[in-house]
Amino acid sequence: AQSVSQHNHHVILSEAASLELGCNYSYGGTVNLFWYVQYPGQHLQLLLKYFSGDPLVKGIKGFEAEFIKSKFSFNLRKPSVQWSDTAEYFCAVSGNTGKLIFGQGTTLQVKP
Amino acid sequence: DVKVTQSSRYLVKRTGEKVFLECVQDMDHENMFWYRQDPGLGLRLIYFSYDVKMKEKGDIPEGYSVSREKKERFSLILESASTNQTSMYLCASALSWTGPKNIQYFGAGTRLSVL
Repeated sequence: AQSVSQHNHHVILSEAASLELGCNYSYGGTVNLFWYVQYPGQHLQLLLKYFSGDPLVKGIKGFEAEFIKSKFSFNLRKPSVQWSDTAEYFCAVSGNTGKLIFGQGTTLQVKP
Repeated sequence: DVKVTQSSRYLVKRTGEKVFLECVQDMDHENMFWYRQDPGLGLRLIYFSYDVKMKEKGDIPEGYSVSREKKERFSLILESASTNQTSMYLCASALSWTGPKNIQYFGAGTRLSVL
């Protein structure tokens, strides 16, 4: 069965620090990979996605993620976080069923 | 922009009540989904629909049913609400089932408390 694991449940950083959130998935076939973000009081929105091609994908607000097929990973990165990046981040995977499987989520708190 | 609208942001219901959560999307999407979001568990799929009057069980369908009479509207029904159904409920829609158009757009959520 498909599953997604996010390594960090709660991350606290100071502004300007670099961010990397881990995401590993378990699925044997072709996958589509997503990172969603939920800012406080707002709806879940797409941060970036990978379907095929360049394994390094860039999303909104300076975020990027790298798909490493051999490691079944899709880690999210940002070189320098801002206070406004405080949010909950979800990694998600879909295979040929189209169903999205979400990780447990990581709460990021950025201190000004 | 895609807009997915959930009729209520907050609901408080009593145990045993029948509860309806409504969701409407304005982008003519074929596919609609209902999730519940719980701390530490992420989002879990309850039901989804790939066409009018069609529905499929997700990972946690027990205690829930759905209705899709019109393409733009997808309702989640709690036949007899229980306290363990207290949660945040999210509706989503997507243009396609697979491939690059399989991007799900979410509503703001309904926080349901069952007392």
